Amino acid sequence: DAGVIQSPRHEVTEMGQEVTLRCKPISGHDYLFWYRQTMMRGLELLIYFNNNVPIDDSGMPEDRFSAKMPNASFSTLKIQPSEPRDSAVYFCASRRGANTGELFFGEGSRLTVL
Amino acid sequence: GENVEQHPSTLSVQEGDSAVIKCTYSDSASNYFPWYKQELGKGPQLIIDIRSNVGEKKDQRIAVTLNKTAKHFSLHITETQPEDSAVYFCAASRPLGGSNYKLTFGKGTLLTVNP
Repeated sequence: DAGVIQSPRHEVTEMGQEVTLRCKPISGHDYLFWYRQTMMRGLELLIYFNNNVPIDDSGMPEDRFSAKMPNASFSTLKIQPSEPRDSAVYFCASRRGANTGELFFGEGSRLTVL
Repeated sequence: GENVEQHPSTLSVQEGDSAVIKCTYSDSASNYFPWYKQELGKGPQLIIDIRSNVGEKKDQRIAVTLNKTAKHFSLHITETQPEDSAVYFCAASRPLGGSNYKLTFGKGTLLTVNP
């Protein structure tokens, strides 16, 4: 399997623009997680899905952030409007089943908001 | 919610020496403790994990110990090699399979192994 695939790898945008990050989980994995990584706050869980249904979005910082999972092989994280403080690396991870602990991370999307 | 503290934030050792990274957690209901390694430009990758029914687990040069009473766990790397240089994250979660699974990460330790 190709692993978790994220796009774009790098995004530079201006404040106020809409940003969409994309993720393809590993086939057969029924859990999908979005994490944000910054130097100050480390790895923070934003939201996770089970069987395409959002289970916990308590980590989503504010209404400017939204995430969807229209099918088992695709998820998006959208920021609208973007702000400089959103600059971070955003990781998508997937997991197979409820009783396995291992998360498989993608290589991340580095977002810079000017 | 769970709070995971990790120390040190940076660690530099000579090749062949041992490295120890320590973490504490706050939620007494947590019972799953994985460690992830993140190389530059990559996503974190699981290297070892432990559940609270055991106190120690070993896999070649890496080992993890857990003290549930004190709510702390540690990663031990022996005979370090330059390729061990990376950022290491500890994490904690409530029982796998439960309805409130959420993996909380420590802030990471940058390990540098000097040749």
